[in-house]
Amino acid sequence: NAGVTQTPKFQVLKTGQSMTLQCAQDMNHEYMSWYRQDPGMGLRLIHYSVGAGITDQGEVPNGYNVSRSTTEDFPLRLLSAAPSQTSVYFCASSYSPRTLGTEAFFGQGTRLTVV
Amino acid sequence: GESVGLHLPTLSVQEGDNSIINCAYSNSASDYFIWYKQESGKGPQFIIDIRSNMDKRQGQRVTVLLNKTVKHLSLQIAATQPGDSAVYFCAETSSNAGGTSYGKLTFGQGTILTVHP
Repeated sequence: NAGVTQTPKFQVLKTGQSMTLQCAQDMNHEYMSWYRQDPGMGLRLIHYSVGAGITDQGEVPNGYNVSRSTTEDFPLRLLSAAPSQTSVYFCASSYSPRTLGTEAFFGQGTRLTVV
Repeated sequence: GESVGLHLPTLSVQEGDNSIINCAYSNSASDYFIWYKQESGKGPQFIIDIRSNMDKRQGQRVTVLLNKTVKHLSLQIAATQPGDSAVYFCAETSSNAGGTSYGKLTFGQGTILTVHP
């Protein structure tokens, strides 16, 4: 099925560990982004990419790195996990930034706990 | 920074009633607004969008109203059903000269809609 696939669905990390959250889409979308969602809050943009080789920071980029070597994949790297990064992470994609709403697809989310 | 916020964090309605979810925004440069529905354990799902050159847009059972004068938008759901129970988010973005900031969605806090049979 076409869509946005995130892996893993659940992850527990120890403080200081690093890991990569994977995101892949098979819709040939130009635009991909990562959000985090904390209890009682809306989604906050971490990083986004408007195409392969192009990335930019969102609202809360500190502690995260991204790269976009292909159109399909947009991994999010936690360099040194901290308890403040405990959250649910969502990846989203759309054909182009200007059609973000009508063609936006979100993944199922990755629930990350840092202990 | 500027943000989008919701007036009511929770809304309970009876099945068949109409629901209205409100959202205020503060960025006067916002020109594109989106409503998302998020069910438990799932990612947000697009419902309807509206651009700033419009004040009303209708979809299937849903209507979005935009009042730029007071920086307010609302989502109206007609004949609300139990399957409409979810968290609803408004989001906004604004275009700059290059257009790349369309990607920077700012989400509101969310409203929990509960529909009672």
